[in-house]
Amino acid sequence: DAGVIQSPRHEVTEMGQEVTLRCKPISGHNSLFWYRQTMMRGLELLIYFNNNVPIDDSGMPEDRFSAKMPNASFSTLKIQPSEPRDSAVYFCASRETGAWGAFFGQGTRLTVV
Amino acid sequence: DAKTTQPTSMDCAEGRAANLPCNHSTISGNEYVYWYRQIHSQGPQYIIHGLKNNETNEMASLIITEDRKSSTLILPHATLRDTAVYYCIVRSIIQGAQKLVFGQGTRLTINP
Repeated sequence: DAGVIQSPRHEVTEMGQEVTLRCKPISGHNSLFWYRQTMMRGLELLIYFNNNVPIDDSGMPEDRFSAKMPNASFSTLKIQPSEPRDSAVYFCASRETGAWGAFFGQGTRLTVV
Repeated sequence: DAKTTQPTSMDCAEGRAANLPCNHSTISGNEYVYWYRQIHSQGPQYIIHGLKNNETNEMASLIITEDRKSSTLILPHATLRDTAVYYCIVRSIIQGAQKLVFGQGTRLTINP
């Protein structure tokens, strides 16, 4: 298995533009997580899904952020409109039912200028 | 979830055992102790977990005190590739899904 696949790896966009980050979890994994990492705040859990259903989105910073999981093999995190303070590395992770560890993707480095 | 306290940074010589402590004095009975690490520019990587017994796998050993208020992650023969930030996480299972909350972790540097 190729692991958790995130795209793009790097994204540079202008303030006000819409940004969509994509994640393909490991096949067979039924839990999916979106994290954001910055120097100031460290790793923050934004939202997680179980069986494609959002379970806890309390970490989503504000209404500009939205996440979807239309099927078991794909999830998106959208920021609209983007702001410079959204600049961070965004990680997606997935976990198999009954497993103890979650597998993280390589992350998407987002820069909003 | 219980809060954890870890040293900000540690150094260890290559080939020696690296012992990373974690304090979780408010842990409750149904909460597990997890360890993850994050090598520079990569996503976090699961290492090991435990409830109350000591655990060992191919990566590390986890020693949990009898009162479960603290634990130690042991890398028996540290290599340069073990240089990373190590996160100690305490959490309970919620609705079958795993909600990991990462603290600041310990930045471990393995020196040649």
